Amino acid sequence: DAGITQSPRHKVTETGTPVTLRCHQTENHRYMYWYRQDPGHGLRLIHYSYGVKDTDKGEVSDGYSVSRSKTEDFLLTLESATSSQTSVYFCAISRGHLVETQYFGPGTRLLVL
Amino acid sequence: RKEVEQDPGPFNVPEGATVAFNCTYSNSASQSFFWYRQDCRKEPKLLMSVYSSGNEDGRFTAQLNRASQYISLLIRDSKLSDSATYLCVVWSGGSYIPTFGRGTSLIVHP
Repeated sequence: DAGITQSPRHKVTETGTPVTLRCHQTENHRYMYWYRQDPGHGLRLIHYSYGVKDTDKGEVSDGYSVSRSKTEDFLLTLESATSSQTSVYFCAISRGHLVETQYFGPGTRLLVL
Repeated sequence: RKEVEQDPGPFNVPEGATVAFNCTYSNSASQSFFWYRQDCRKEPKLLMSVYSSGNEDGRFTAQLNRASQYISLLIRDSKLSDSATYLCVVWSGGSYIPTFGRGTSLIVHP
């Protein structure tokens, strides 16, 4: 158990509505990440954070914003959800001395109608 | 061409068999390599790191071939519980953006 929770675990929303996904960790790790996973694409990095208020873009950041006001929480916001953002979203943390050693949360399944 | 490629499978093997997967990468500057396991509708779970010298953990062995730019995962004495999708991930030096393969599906049958 990596001490990572995600909420909500499932969500159905309509196109054009804002959506915020939450990732919470209990171990005070510095690095946190948001990924999306889609058939035929594998896991793709959306944004990551390397500390409170320190974030950077990943591979597929368009249409997403993030915030990290506390070490334990990393929020992913879809300002105006689109059907192309229907996906499974995973949060991850880096544990240990290697940033590359990542552990994932249970995921959030988002359906945008 | 995708930066990290895996044969999607499925690899269908009987219990007790030995099976191997490869993962090729295109960026010669890649420095860190990992294998993850992902069960259906679950999160990926770190299986093992891949070192130049090889890495063995019980029935699992991971190897890196820098010259040919691929990593491999060998599973000996396959168990039914090994059925899953195996993802490789590659990190390039100085980058915080990893590249995941699309995964290789393994089905172990009785």
